[in-house]
Amino acid sequence: DQQVKQNSPSLSVQEGRISILNCDYTNSMFDYFLWYKKYPAEGPTFLISISSIKDKNEDGRFTVFLNKSAKHLSLHIVPSQPGDSAVYFCAASKRSQGNLIFGKGTKLSVKP
Amino acid sequence: DVKVTQSSRYLVKRTGEKVFLECVQDMDHENMFWYRQDPGLGLRLIYFSYDVKMKEKGDIPEGYSVSREKKERFSLILESASTNQTSMYLCASSWYQETQYFGPGTRLLVL
Repeated sequence: DQQVKQNSPSLSVQEGRISILNCDYTNSMFDYFLWYKKYPAEGPTFLISISSIKDKNEDGRFTVFLNKSAKHLSLHIVPSQPGDSAVYFCAASKRSQGNLIFGKGTKLSVKP
Repeated sequence: DVKVTQSSRYLVKRTGEKVFLECVQDMDHENMFWYRQDPGLGLRLIYFSYDVKMKEKGDIPEGYSVSREKKERFSLILESASTNQTSMYLCASSWYQETQYFGPGTRLLVL
């Protein structure tokens, strides 16, 4: 039973436009959410996180939105750049436990 | 900067061989994790450790074991490698309940 779902396996966006990656979760006990970016043949790189006490966190071109009532979070990348092309993983945890539950990832392609 | 290193980037082994994957972190992190990544399946947790000599099973521990004799080092052992263990293996570490930082990964091919 998947607790963290990324329903879009892939997304294609034009350079300069907004990329929106979505993630849904089922466990209402999750209180910490993260996004990781992964290039082929490399380990995932931490991108941005959000605590359940917030509904938005911003870091440069990256913004994460959390809608607790819908159990949904999204990552916005504005403006998108070709170097953003990678697989993006959403992850969630109960901070008291420490281990992360990952979604299956969304492959983002940003076309010049 | 957090640094997590893995002993090999690429490894080719034969079915039935015993395989050791080593992971070292230099940030005095309490927690260490082993995942495998397969296309369409995302990252799946094999084992994790909250302290030296402590280990906990993750979602897919079958066919694997781990060892944590020192705080900075976490080893994954494939007792008898099989072809379905061909995968990308990723090690991560973190302070308590904080963000996990990943190593570069080991791509293992079992023939």
